[in-house]
Amino acid sequence: NAGVTQTPKFQVLKTGQSMTLQCAQDMNHNSMYWYRQDPGMGLRLIYYSASEGTTDKGEVPNGYNVSRLNKREFSLRLESAAPSQTSVYFCASSAALSGGYTFGSGTRLTVV
Amino acid sequence: QKEVEQNSGPLSVPEGAIASLNCTYSDRGSQSFFWYRQYSGKSPELIMFIYSNGDKEDGRFTAQLNKASQYVSLLIRDSQPSDSATYLCAVYSGYSTLTFGKGTMLLVSP
Repeated sequence: NAGVTQTPKFQVLKTGQSMTLQCAQDMNHNSMYWYRQDPGMGLRLIYYSASEGTTDKGEVPNGYNVSRLNKREFSLRLESAAPSQTSVYFCASSAALSGGYTFGSGTRLTVV
Repeated sequence: QKEVEQNSGPLSVPEGAIASLNCTYSDRGSQSFFWYRQYSGKSPELIMFIYSNGDKEDGRFTAQLNKASQYVSLLIRDSQPSDSATYLCAVYSGYSTLTFGKGTMLLVSP
């Protein structure tokens, strides 16, 4: 049982490059989330998808786009990477908030 | 703006002691409360959740909730060096998302 799978685990980008972070869950969860984690800032919500077919902005959506491809997959796209987007990105999913989130293993992104 | 506050620590305790981790939240309408453990370089993992005032015990862990004081805590009994990690408090206040505190680092010395 894989849970939440994120790819890639590590990535280095040059300023202005684009990339997509992939996330897939096999737990039949309805809701999926993208967070970034920076030292001293904690986990901050970028975008979320409460159910298949819906997406909403979180606390820090600027510079990002998302796609809920189907119930299993939720991708995060950086169209033009900036050094301020250097961070660790976590995808998470939940069946219902009563049970909390299950997190993926994270993507460590460096933008130079 | 919903806020969840935690002391960043580090909280240092000797092996075998009780570690007490605290969290306050700003939204009086918050419904559910979660504690996650995050080892360095790893992703957060759920330890416990609590919805009702009072205590909830699971093994060496006890979560305590006081909604009137907007306060939730996590007690770890018989602390072990393997408990050394950052503990994140998270609060559900609606709208399908959790708000996380910045975490408290716990160091358990042998």
